[in-house]
Amino acid sequence: DARVTQTPRHKVTEMGQEVTMRCQPILGHNTVFWYRQTMMQGLELLAYFRNRAPLDDSGMPKDRFSAEMPDATLATLKIQPSEPRDSAVYFCASGWDTSNQPQHFGDGTRLSIL
Amino acid sequence: QKEVEQNSGPLSVPEGAIASLNCTYSDRGSQSFFWYRQYSGKSPELIMSIYSNGDKEDGRFTAQLNKASQYVSLLIRDSQPSDSATYLCAVNKKTSYDKVIFGPGTSLSVIP
Repeated sequence: DARVTQTPRHKVTEMGQEVTMRCQPILGHNTVFWYRQTMMQGLELLAYFRNRAPLDDSGMPKDRFSAEMPDATLATLKIQPSEPRDSAVYFCASGWDTSNQPQHFGDGTRLSIL
Repeated sequence: QKEVEQNSGPLSVPEGAIASLNCTYSDRGSQSFFWYRQYSGKSPELIMSIYSNGDKEDGRFTAQLNKASQYVSLLIRDSQPSDSATYLCAVNKKTSYDKVIFGPGTSLSVIP
C-alpha cells in the first residue's frame, strides 16, 4: 500500500533551534501539501507544490518558515528559529494534479518547542 | 463567513443509529468535495469523494451533495464505536491557486 512517509515522527527541541521536517510523497503524485494542525486552529495549509514548483505559501510565516522540494521524492519544511507557538502536528499530504483529486496524508510530525 | 463550516460537536449517537454530519461552503464554484476521518492522534484518512449533486453510497457511508444550497453531508448508518473520530469536510477552491480548504471538523462519539 503506497503511503506518504514523514520524518521524524516526533521532535522535541528548545526555542531558537532549527527544525527540519521531511516528506516523501507517494510515487507518481505530483502535488505536495504541508499542513499544521492545532486544537485551536484546526488544519491549516502552510504551502503546496505542484511538479516541485511552489504554488502557494500564503499560509506560512515567511520570516521563520521555509518549504522546498529539492526533488520529486523529497519535500522539506524548515523552521528557523523555532518558537513555542510553533508546537503542533505538521502533516504532509500528496495527490494528483488538481484539487479535484483527494489528498493522502502522512502520519505527521508531532513538534514540541520548549 | 468561513469558507468551510461544520458543527464542531461533539455529536453523540447510540450504537446502531444513523450519524449525520453536515458541512456548508461559501465558494459557488467548488466542484469537488471530500470527507476525511481522523482518529485521535492519527492523520486524516479519506472516506468519500463526491462531485455531482445527489447521493453517493459506499458501504455504511453515504455522502450527499446539494450545490444549489452549498451543502454537503455524510451519513453513517449502523454506527459503530469504531466510527468515533473527528470528521473533516474538505472542498476545492478554484482561485488563482487551485487548492482544497478543510473545515474545522465534527467530533463524533458512538456510545455502545
